[in-house]
Amino acid sequence: GAVVSQHPSWVICKSGTSVKIECRSLDFQATTMFWYRQFPKQSLMLMATSNEGSKATYEQGVEKDKFLINHASLTLSTLTVTSAHPEDSSFYICSARDRPGQGATDTQYFGPGTRLTVL
Amino acid sequence: AQKVTQAQTEISVVEKEDVTLDCVYETRDTTYYLFWYKQPPSGELVFLIRRNSFDEQNEISGRYSWNFQKSTSSFNFTITASQVVDSAVYFCALGFEGGSEKLVFGKGTKLTVNP
Repeated sequence: GAVVSQHPSWVICKSGTSVKIECRSLDFQATTMFWYRQFPKQSLMLMATSNEGSKATYEQGVEKDKFLINHASLTLSTLTVTSAHPEDSSFYICSARDRPGQGATDTQYFGPGTRLTVL
Repeated sequence: AQKVTQAQTEISVVEKEDVTLDCVYETRDTTYYLFWYKQPPSGELVFLIRRNSFDEQNEISGRYSWNFQKSTSSFNFTITASQVVDSAVYFCALGFEGGSEKLVFGKGTKLTVNP
């Protein structure tokens, strides 16, 4: 159990285009999902917290108009990188926290990540 | 302030050696959770363990064991008889109760197990 998927696993795009990354919890409902960014050989940097049915909460320094987050259902959150530039190239990882009250473990389970390369 | 320190940036061992990865945390909260995640070269973070602040009992799972000591604010992770497949980056993280609280990650320790 507790499987989180991400799609696509990698993407290459041209500068100025937008890219959408999907994060799905496959076998549990996730009220809360998180989006992280990881640079090579570094730790995870939290970008935003996404709650189902409400606006995402962005960490300081993260541009909300550039990184659009939508959490439309209890199993799906999307991150759209708008007008991508080469400096947006990174490894983007989502996590899903299982919903309280369902025998949940209150643990974040991570997706496999999406490697974005902007040319 | 909440903080997680993994002082060991990289560790290299030979297969079958035991290895301990250190994790020291800082928080003023009385209720919190500690986690270890493994990130192999493929990139996916694999959940290993979750421990709450009221449970100081050490845990063993196969070749893995964890030593939680509140007195020293440490949550160390030991791999016994290491194997090449254990090679990965290991992250210790600190989490808090309720709502949608975020995790605070350490910088990770890269473990290389050589044959």
